Amino acid sequence: EVQLVESGGGLVQPGRSLRLSCVASGFTFDDYAMQWVRQGPGKGLEWVSGISWDSGAIGYADSVKGRFTISRDNAKNSLYLQMNSLRHEDTAFYYCAQANGAGSYASQWGQGTLVTVFS
Amino acid sequence: EIVMTQSPATLSMSPGERVTLSCRASESISSHLAWYQKKPGQAPRLLIYGASTRATGIPARFSGSGSGTEFTLTISSLQSEDFAVYYCQQYNNWPRFGQGTKVEIK
Repeated sequence: EVQLVESGGGLVQPGRSLRLSCVASGFTFDDYAMQWVRQGPGKGLEWVSGISWDSGAIGYADSVKGRFTISRDNAKNSLYLQMNSLRHEDTAFYYCAQANGAGSYASQWGQGTLVTVFS
Repeated sequence: EIVMTQSPATLSMSPGERVTLSCRASESISSHLAWYQKKPGQAPRLLIYGASTRATGIPARFSGSGSGTEFTLTISSLQSEDFAVYYCQQYNNWPRFGQGTKVEIK
C-alpha cells in the first residue's frame, strides 16, 4: 500500500522559512516523480512544484518561484519543500503526491500538512 | 499560461441522477487532462487521466471525454459518496487546476 506522510507544517510569521518533508513507503520511490500541491482555506487546488525521479527536471508555480525549493533524497525515500520568504497567501494544506512525471498528473496523495503564515 | 475554466461552479443534484461537469482550456492541451475528486478533510483522489482513462480502482460510473480544449467528466448515476468538489487539471505544460465544480445534494 502506498503511503505518503507529510510533516513540518506549523505556524510561522511572514518572511520566515519552513521546511516540509514527505516520507514515502509502499512503492519504489526512485521510480516516480513527486509533487507538492496545496489548498488554501476556502480555495481550490494549486500545483506548487514537481521533481522528476532523478531531480533532473524541476518546475515551480509562478506564485512560489524564487522562494520555494523542491528536493528529494532517494536513499531516504523522502521529498522536501524548502519554503522561504513566506507570505500570508502561502497559508494552506500542503500535499505530497506521487506523480507520473514532474509536470504530470498525481496518482497517490498524502493527507497533507498545514502551514499557517500569521503576523 | 494555460487557463482552465470549469462550469458550472455548483451543481445541485439528487442521488441516481446523471451528472456532467465541463472543463475548458484556454489553448489546446491534446489529451493531457486529469480529473480529481476532493472531499473536506481528505486528500484529493485521481479519477481520470489522459482525458478518458480511469485511474486504478475508480468505479465505471465515472467517465471522461474530450480533447483539445473541451473536456467532460460524467457520473452516470450519482451515489451518496460522490458529493464532493471536482477539479480538472491540465498537464500539457506545468500543471494547472481549474477552479473546481461542487456537486452538492439537492
